[in-house]
Amino acid sequence: GQQLNQSPQSMFIQEGEDVSMNCTSSSIFNTWLWYKQDPGEGPVLLIALYKAGELTSNGRLTAQFGITRKDSFLNISASIPSDVGIYFCAGRRDMRFGAGTRLTVKP
Amino acid sequence: EAQVTQNPRYLITVTGKKLTVTCSQNMNHEYMSWYRQDPGLGLRQIYYSMNVEVTDKGDVPEGYKVSRKEKRNFPLILESPSPNQTSLYFCASSLSRGSYGYTFGSGTRLTVV
Repeated sequence: GQQLNQSPQSMFIQEGEDVSMNCTSSSIFNTWLWYKQDPGEGPVLLIALYKAGELTSNGRLTAQFGITRKDSFLNISASIPSDVGIYFCAGRRDMRFGAGTRLTVKP
Repeated sequence: EAQVTQNPRYLITVTGKKLTVTCSQNMNHEYMSWYRQDPGLGLRQIYYSMNVEVTDKGDVPEGYKVSRKEKRNFPLILESPSPNQTSLYFCASSLSRGSYGYTFGSGTRLTVV
């Protein structure tokens, strides 16, 4: 069954706002990944994290690998309309995916 | 262009009529996998393959079959589709099972009536 708890399930924000989402697990993972799925497309890898405590940025995106290795966070700064989509976390041993956070950005 | 190609993109079929969803990758990846995406459940793995002629069950394999006769192709077969298999399906590939990033296809939306 599902081992990753991703929250929130959905977010409705105004353009320019910052966004935070997180993923927790009952299991330890050795890699955390964040994907984005645009409407009508498959998920695309945004950020990969390999070490507990690691903080990695990709443009306006910043993700952190929790110290306990059971959680991860994704932040998006100064959101823009093209940030719309579903964001998935994934934990690496067996590539388990969270249920996703659906982001809507109002211009 | 490096990509994973799924066909068809959309399919409506009737209960019990066998169907195959094709998946092909041009990156010489060893590892390929099928997922289904359902609202509130995220992506759940159906089957995966670590190399030619090597396949294994994922979390939700019931009602599905796969084959890996060639490295580039990994078709998903529904021998007798049922309405509970209505879903959005994704094929993905990576260099190996331990590789950190998967390349996903664009998805196949299947409706079984």
